[in-house]
Amino acid sequence: GAVVSQHPSRVICKSGTSVKIECRSLDFQATTMFWYRQFPKQSLMLMATSNEGSKATYEQGVEKDKFLINHASLTLSTLTVTSAHPEDSSFYICSASPQRQGREKLFFGSGTQLSVL
Amino acid sequence: SQQGEEDPQALSIQEGENATMNCSYKTSINNLQWYRQNSGRGLVHLILIRSNEREKHSGRLRVTLDTSKKSSSLLITASRAADTASYFCATGVGGAGNMLTFGGGTRLMVKP
Repeated sequence: GAVVSQHPSRVICKSGTSVKIECRSLDFQATTMFWYRQFPKQSLMLMATSNEGSKATYEQGVEKDKFLINHASLTLSTLTVTSAHPEDSSFYICSASPQRQGREKLFFGSGTQLSVL
Repeated sequence: SQQGEEDPQALSIQEGENATMNCSYKTSINNLQWYRQNSGRGLVHLILIRSNEREKHSGRLRVTLDTSKKSSSLLITASRAADTASYFCATGVGGAGNMLTFGGGTRLMVKP
């Protein structure tokens, strides 16, 4: 099956610093990747849709200047949490689907646990 | 935004018993999928059912879809302790990349 690699798996940072999370599709190309945020014991909330070569589409209530998304190639999307604060602490997960017929199934990265002190 | 609700929110059963989880959604869909998440990990796709299908099987999993009621159920038969995880339904409307909207999830605990 298709593999999505997400790095780092865990990051602890001081308030005010920026954190970059990478999401790579290892064996397929993805023009679209999705970034989700998940609080403990809650569901996944879609933050934004990352589109290769163009601007990301953000969900309502998600600050685009706070959560910078770059999708510079067909296999890599990055999410940068700028000037992180404790309320940004959460589990962030990316997903993607291969560009071929029957691509409704999403493949997920293993997630990044962000803790902002 | 969340598409719908999952019921129950938490379920605890003994190994060998069956586990049934339900999902309701609000808008028209192209497909509905079920995913599993172990604690602190990413999601793993379990099964997909399209809007023109009513039932689908995969190993010990059985999924039903009732588009008239906008609901789906996931049945895990002969549960095992290793089935302990959170299970999420997700609805897709098709199109580029097939953006999914997730339900609230059911936390399943299977006691050995």
